Amino acid sequence: AQTVTQSQPEMSVQEAETVTLSCTYDTSESDYYLFWYKQPPSRQMILVIRQEAYKQQNATENRFSVNFQKAAKSFSLKISDSQLGDAAMYFCAYKNFGNEKLTFGTGTRLTIIP
Amino acid sequence: KAGVTQTPRYLIKTRGQQVTLSCSPISGHRSVSWYQQTPGQGLQFLFEYFSETQRNKGNFPGRFSGRQFSNSRSEMNVSTLELGDSALYLCASSARRIGVMNTEAFFGQGTRLTVV
Repeated sequence: AQTVTQSQPEMSVQEAETVTLSCTYDTSESDYYLFWYKQPPSRQMILVIRQEAYKQQNATENRFSVNFQKAAKSFSLKISDSQLGDAAMYFCAYKNFGNEKLTFGTGTRLTIIP
Repeated sequence: KAGVTQTPRYLIKTRGQQVTLSCSPISGHRSVSWYQQTPGQGLQFLFEYFSETQRNKGNFPGRFSGRQFSNSRSEMNVSTLELGDSALYLCASSARRIGVMNTEAFFGQGTRLTVV
């Protein structure tokens, strides 16, 4: 079974600064996908960024980028120029190739300090 | 395009009762997955339905069941409610189809179930 670990229950960052959230995972599969989801107080899960395991290039979406280290099974999220609206719970998630089931980490609560 | 709609948003039930939650996926999406979110256990996969068939199931007791209709709407049922069933239940839909392997899951706002 796959597992996802987020070792930082809480993080805080000054507005406009950069913060990195950590995620490690365990799997014996070679084809899979990794995601970062954001859950604001409204509780709706919003996809922030995704990475296909077969792609060596790290994914980037505007201010959000990942550092994907397949051999180390590490998948960290970097948020640049942090904004107040980035405050939320961030979940790292794993999905096997051809399967819709998402396995989530325990989440990191990100606080933005004005 | 309308998003994933879950009803009701909030629900209070008594121990021993049963409850049915509903999820309407994004138009054209045929896969619906359900997740339970609690402070203690985090986000856990319940099951996935695709084309009216359960395709995958998480590690939950038989009191948790679901179904999917021909219009892809899905319902989740919990019988003989226990206090520990209090949780946020999230539904996600995706455009899963043959030949497409990486499909994004879109989540609804969830149903907050409180068992008293």
